[in-house]
Amino acid sequence: GAGVSQTPSNKVTEKGKYVELRCDPISGHTALYWYRQSLGQGPEFLIYFQGTGAADDSGLPNDRFFAVRPEGSVSTLKIQRTERGDSAVYLCASSLTGKRSSYNEQFFGPGTRLTVL
Amino acid sequence: DQQVKQNSPSLSVQEGRISILNCDYTNSMFDYFLWYKKYPAEGPTFLISISSIKDKNEDGRFTVFLNKSAKHLSLHIVPSQPGDSAVYFCAASANFGNEKLTFGTGTRLTIIP
Repeated sequence: GAGVSQTPSNKVTEKGKYVELRCDPISGHTALYWYRQSLGQGPEFLIYFQGTGAADDSGLPNDRFFAVRPEGSVSTLKIQRTERGDSAVYLCASSLTGKRSSYNEQFFGPGTRLTVL
Repeated sequence: DQQVKQNSPSLSVQEGRISILNCDYTNSMFDYFLWYKKYPAEGPTFLISISSIKDKNEDGRFTVFLNKSAKHLSLHIVPSQPGDSAVYFCAASANFGNEKLTFGTGTRLTIIP
């Protein structure tokens, strides 16, 4: 398919473990975003990549969270020492460009549901 | 603090009637506003947007109205159809729609056949 894909779709882990969540953006999209959606809430911004670099990581809640995009395409969100409060749906989105000259729609993937026991 | 608020968690509307979803914001730096629609187990899908230089934008059955002085926007769907049943999120950006979006908590719209 041509949309944003995320793997795994579901991840169950134990408190204290390390997890990696993967996002494959739409081909050719230079901007990539990670959001987190907790139960009953709207998506909450975590980090934004323009190409390979993190242009804005102001939404990462603490240093247990880290994201990379080494080749400017696929991105991995990494969570160390998971806590029960990390349980949420993690959404990835991509857009053609993050340039401010015009609006570029963010296309969202289906998300990864993370459950920390 | 919740910078984008959707005070109605749910709304039921008869098929064929108008659906009106409301959204309020507090951050005066927001200059671009969007509505997203979300079905279960899917990511949000962009529906319609409006820049702060406008007060209305229309796309088919969907119209978004922006009242900057009241920091309020609304989405009108007319006529409402069963396929419109979904959760609708209002979102805002301070950089003409790019970079990070700040979302509201969503309104679940149910269209009654």
